[in-house]
Amino acid sequence: NAGVTQTPKFRVLKTGQSMTLLCAQDMNHEYMYWYRQDPGMGLRLIHYSVGEGTTAKGEVPDGYNVSRLKKQNFLLGLESAAPSQTSVYFCASQGGLAGDFNEQFFGPGTRLTVL
Amino acid sequence: AQRVTQPEKLLSVFKGAPVELKCNYSYSGSPELFWYVQYSRQRLQLLLRHISRESIKGFTADLNKGETSFHLKKPFAQEEDSAMYYCALSGLGSNYQLIWGAGTKLIIKP
Repeated sequence: NAGVTQTPKFRVLKTGQSMTLLCAQDMNHEYMYWYRQDPGMGLRLIHYSVGEGTTAKGEVPDGYNVSRLKKQNFLLGLESAAPSQTSVYFCASQGGLAGDFNEQFFGPGTRLTVL
Repeated sequence: AQRVTQPEKLLSVFKGAPVELKCNYSYSGSPELFWYVQYSRQRLQLLLRHISRESIKGFTADLNKGETSFHLKKPFAQEEDSAMYYCALSGLGSNYQLIWGAGTKLIIKP
């Protein structure tokens, strides 16, 4: 099993450009999350999904959109990138067996720089 | 309000010294507490959870409901313990979302 994978690993954008980050998981998990990680601020939840076809806003959703058309994939979109969106983005999935249900499994991260 | 507080952003100790990473929480129900670790340039991974009551890589953490704390401890630090540590909380019975602390960067000096 690959677990949680993210593409791309790195990306540099100019202000105003758009891009989509892809997260895929092969664990048949229902729940998926997008976080951003910034120095001194820990992990902040951007958007999440509790199942195929559903999405919800997290703590810092502005400037991002998401889609969960397939259970295994969770896409994060930036329509018009801003320098404030320079960050490391982590995807996570959750939904294992009863005793491990609350454990989140993380992808390797995407390092995004917006110039 | 549900909250996880890690009061130290940075903790630096010498190799062989004891380590204690503090985590305090605020939650009205019965929480499940976790410690996640992130080694340099790697993904976050679960280190331990209070329900398991196990020791991983020499680390232990005890849930103290009276003090609402879940401090992470290791008696003798090793250089490979240098990493970012996050404390997180989930309400037992809730079916999604972890509440995260801001993280503590642990540096083990040789």
